[in-house]
Amino acid sequence: DAGVIQSPRHEVTEMGQEVTLRCKPISGHDYLFWYRQTMMRGLELLIYFNNNVPIDDSGMPEDRFSAKMPNASFSTLKIQPSEPRDSAVYFCASSLRTGAGELFFGEGSRLTVL
Amino acid sequence: GQNIDQPTEMTATEGAIVQINCTYQTSGFNGLFWYQQHAGEAPTFLSYNVLDGLEEKGRFSSFLSRSKGYSYLLLKELQMKDSASYLCASNRDDKIIFGKGTRLHILP
Repeated sequence: DAGVIQSPRHEVTEMGQEVTLRCKPISGHDYLFWYRQTMMRGLELLIYFNNNVPIDDSGMPEDRFSAKMPNASFSTLKIQPSEPRDSAVYFCASSLRTGAGELFFGEGSRLTVL
Repeated sequence: GQNIDQPTEMTATEGAIVQINCTYQTSGFNGLFWYQQHAGEAPTFLSYNVLDGLEEKGRFSSFLSRSKGYSYLLLKELQMKDSASYLCASNRDDKIIFGKGTRLHILP
């Protein structure tokens, strides 16, 4: 059974460029989460969706970040324009239910902005 | 990470026991997760505690005290493969908030 699938695994881009990260959750999971991980700040919750609807985006750093979930099997996290401080590993995770539901993480997208 | 505190690093010896502590903000609290993360990999689920007390799962046990806002992860019979980061995560108002993690080094 396929787990959470993220792409790309690695991306190197230049400051000012648009970055799009993609996620396919586990089929049947109603919740999808986007996290960002850095050494300094650890694993930070950016946004999460329930049944494709954004529930809480209070962790999105600023207007340069946006996330969408057009259907139950696909989500994107977009950064436009990107900045060097956005360099991090971005994880997507899904669960059957929030709260008590175990999070299943994708392998992450490592973003480097030069 | 939003009032979740755990030690940054710990070191223990192969075969020994280690306890990793975590304190968290109690407002809106519903439960406490522990995740393991090996370097360069994604976090994987270890345990989830809702009620006070100790839950044992093989070599790993997790404890929760809701009134004290305190949890710990206990690892017994340490193996080299246990070298990893251990992330405490609080379910607060149905948002799962992670601490910065404790990097555990195992010495032979």
